[in-house]
Amino acid sequence: RKEVEQDPGPFNVPEGATVAFNCTYSNSASQSFFWYRQDCRKEPKLLMSVYSSGNEDGRFTAQLNRASQYISLLIRDSKLSDSATYLCVVNIQAGTALIFGKGTTLSVSS
Amino acid sequence: DTGVSQNPRHKITKRGQNVTFRCDPISEHNRLYWYRQTLGQGPEFLTYFQNEAQLEKSRLLSDRFSAERPKGSFSTLEIQRTEQGDSAMYLCASSPGHEQYFGPGTRLTVT
Repeated sequence: RKEVEQDPGPFNVPEGATVAFNCTYSNSASQSFFWYRQDCRKEPKLLMSVYSSGNEDGRFTAQLNRASQYISLLIRDSKLSDSATYLCVVNIQAGTALIFGKGTTLSVSS
Repeated sequence: DTGVSQNPRHKITKRGQNVTFRCDPISEHNRLYWYRQTLGQGPEFLTYFQNEAQLEKSRLLSDRFSAERPKGSFSTLEIQRTEQGDSAMYLCASSPGHEQYFGPGTRLTVT
C-alpha cells in the first residue's frame, strides 16, 4: 500500500464548477498535512496546510479526518487558472521529509 | 527575489559523467531538503540538513549521490557516474521548521 494515495484524474470541469479531491494516507502517526499545487514543469507550491478542525482560504477548503486517515480539498467556483496538479502531502514528524502523493490533475475549461 | 534558488536549471550530461547541483535556501531557513521527481510522480525525498548537519538520507540516495551543506547556508548535490535512470527533476526546499518552500529545480537529462 502506498503511503499517500490520490485519484490521479484528470478532472475536467467547466469554469465555475465545484471540484473535490480526496487523499488517504497509511501511517496513522502522521502529524502534518498539506496540499501543494504544481504547474506543468514548475516546482510544487504550498497551497495550504490542513488542520483537524478544517480550514478555508478563499475558494479552497481543506479537511482532515484522522480516524479515517483521509484528507480532502474542495475548490469552489473553479477558475481557468486553477488548472494544475494538486499534490496531497503528509509529514510523519514536523521538520522531516514530506511524503507526496502522485498528484491529481485538474483541467478547468471555459 | 528572496525565494529558494537552484543552479543550473537544466543539465544534459552523458552517462558516466559527474554532475553537481547547487541550492541556495531562503535566508535564515535552517532546514534544507533535496527531492527528486520523475514524470507522473510526486517528489521523492532524498536527504535533508539542519544547519550543516545531514540528519536523514533516503534509501534512494545510493552511494553515487552525495550532498553537503558546508556552512549551513547553500547546499550541493553531486551525482557520480550518472546513469540514465538518474534523469529527473532535482528539487531543493527550505524550511524554518514546519512548511517547506521549493526552488525551481534542476532538470537533469542523462544521455
